[in-house]
Parts: sequence; C-alpha cells; structure tokens
Amino acid sequence: QSALTQPPSVSGSPGQSVTISCTGTSSDVGTYNRVSWYQQSPGTAPKLIISEISNRPSGVPDRFSGSTSGNTASLTISGLQAEDEAEYYCSSYTTSSTLLFGGGTKLTVL
Amino acid sequence: QVQLVESGGGAVQPGRSLRLSCAASGFSFSTYNMHWVRQAPGKGLEWVAVISNDGTYKYYAVSVKGRFTISRDSSKNTLFLQMNSLRTEDTAVYYCAREEYGFGDLLYQPPHYWGQGTLVSVSS
Repeated sequence: QSALTQPPSVSGSPGQSVTISCTGTSSDVGTYNRVSWYQQSPGTAPKLIISEISNRPSGVPDRFSGSTSGNTASLTISGLQAEDEAEYYCSSYTTSSTLLFGGGTKLTVL
Repeated sequence: QVQLVESGGGAVQPGRSLRLSCAASGFSFSTYNMHWVRQAPGKGLEWVAVISNDGTYKYYAVSVKGRFTISRDSSKNTLFLQMNSLRTEDTAVYYCAREEYGFGDLLYQPPHYWGQGTLVSVSS
C-alpha cells in the first residue's frame, strides 16, 4: 500500500496560519473518520495531536485543528509559534485492516 | 504515568532473526491494544502491527506479514515483536505504542503513547 500523500514542506511566519493536506483514497481517508495527526521533533517519538479527524488529546492547544473533505484530510495550525516547527504525519486506518501513514510534512516557521 | 521502554535492537545480518521487547508500566497492560511502528533513518513513519488487549487478534502491514510476529505476555507486562528473515529495508527505529482507551475496538484508535524506540540495523 502506498503512503498517504502529504506535501514535503510548508512554511509560515509567526502568528500566521498554515494548512497541511493529506490525500488518500476511498479505501482509507474517504471511508473512515479515523484520521489522526502526529507531530515529531528531531530525535523524539511522535506525539499525537489530532485523532478521529478533529479531536485534540488533552494538553494539545486549540491552535491545532483537523478536518476532512472526501479523500483529503487537513491539519490547520493557527497562530504559528516557533515551537510548532517539526515534522507532521497524518494516518488513517484502511479497509485492508492496516494503518497507513502519510509521508510527512516539514513545517518551517520563518 | 505511562511508560514504554523498547529493547532488543541491534545490528544483524540479512536473513537472520531478532526479537524486540517493550516493557510497559504505569497502566493496566492487559487492558490496551498495542502497536509497533517503525521509522527508517531519515524517513517517515510506517505502521508494522497491532495486537488486541487479550492477544487474540493481530494485524500486520503487508511488508512484514509472514516474517514478523507480534505477541504479548500480560504476566510480564511486555509486548514483543519477533522478526524473522530480516532484510536491509527493515532497518529502522522500532517504536511500541499504546492506544488511549482500554478495551477499545481494534483498528479504531490510533497509537497514542509511544516509547523512545530501539534501533534495528540490518546489514551484511
């Protein structure tokens, strides 16, 4: 199975908003509401920041929000802060009983 | 608090086997579904396998099916990954991860709490 498709990189200035897309198919993103997003800083384990499309785990700022439309999920980070600079991954369960990750998007805060 | 500590990684030749362990503490281990996820050096995340809280059900990525086996020992609060017929492309940091809620349906919740990983290097 191919990874979900994410842009390799996005960037924004402090205070701005950025959106990262995650494109799958009708066999994953388009079928289930089980899309999640992770944030990973270099040398550390991934951190779950969004589950079930738009739910934020405890402690995750409400600057992070998620949505879907058809086969594409999106992560929006508003009020960008320097600490948001990291790699972001989406994931979705599939109709083949597997979990698929996106290729990752590097967010640079200018 | 939730603690997951992986071990068992190391350097191994192609075709050989390795068994990874993940020691869990700070929660009722037998309540939660558990995952293995890997990350090749400089690459993205790749899901490997999941096992139900009672060990009955297991699912695998296509890339490892038939070569890797996920298992758990609730008496030892430990998750395992038996890796056979290793290939160079299996080189990665291997993370174990727990779902957020106990007794959850399999293939529903994402991995939530993660260990720090153990490095497996497959090379001749």
